[in-house]
Amino acid sequence: AQKITQTQPGMFVQEKEAVTLDCTYDTSDPSYGLFWYKQPSSGEMIFLIYQGSYDQQNATEGRYSLNFQKARKSANLVISASQLGDSAMYFCAMREGNTGGFKTIFGAGTRLFVKA
Amino acid sequence: ETGVTQTPRHLVMGMTNKKSLKCEQHLGHNAMYWYKQSAKKPLELMFVYNFKEQTENNSVPSRFSPECPNSSHLFLHLHTLQPEDSALYLCASSQLRTGANTEAFFGQGTRLTVV
Repeated sequence: AQKITQTQPGMFVQEKEAVTLDCTYDTSDPSYGLFWYKQPSSGEMIFLIYQGSYDQQNATEGRYSLNFQKARKSANLVISASQLGDSAMYFCAMREGNTGGFKTIFGAGTRLFVKA
Repeated sequence: ETGVTQTPRHLVMGMTNKKSLKCEQHLGHNAMYWYKQSAKKPLELMFVYNFKEQTENNSVPSRFSPECPNSSHLFLHLHTLQPEDSALYLCASSQLRTGANTEAFFGQGTRLTVV
């Protein structure tokens, strides 16, 4: 069963505006971590932000914030003040702390296009 | 110098060739991974090594053979590949602690084309 779902294959956003990239997940493990990565055309996966399942507050890292809604099993990434350099693929990922071993599983990704 | 380095960046090989992909991490991490990224598919975890021991093999065909001689180096040996094996192969490392969830750091990948 697919455990990470990203329903937006592609998204467009105007430069300097905010954009939300959706991610839902499925797990029965009470301990898990959620990650977002950015993959520019160069291919490297760049870590952006992390949210632990027991964290009480939403994670923030600069212009990135994670809208964590545990009951709905969603972990949406919000990018504020979009820049042209934000154009890339974005992947949501999860690691289950107790049952997943050392695996991090990824969603299918969302391609973000930032328009000037 | 980046934390995780992969060589070569690009590789074209015939179906009868034998080649190896190399990954090196300078972050002092204890776990290393191989992922395969095909067009229009999610990243697929292939192998996981923790302290040089293979802890995960996600039903990967035997034409892919990993090797982890130490905690800093990881290889993926390739032989008699098929055209559908053409993909971006990503190496990653992370520091694993019981009960903790830490992010993985990725290399820039090897773009493999099988002809």
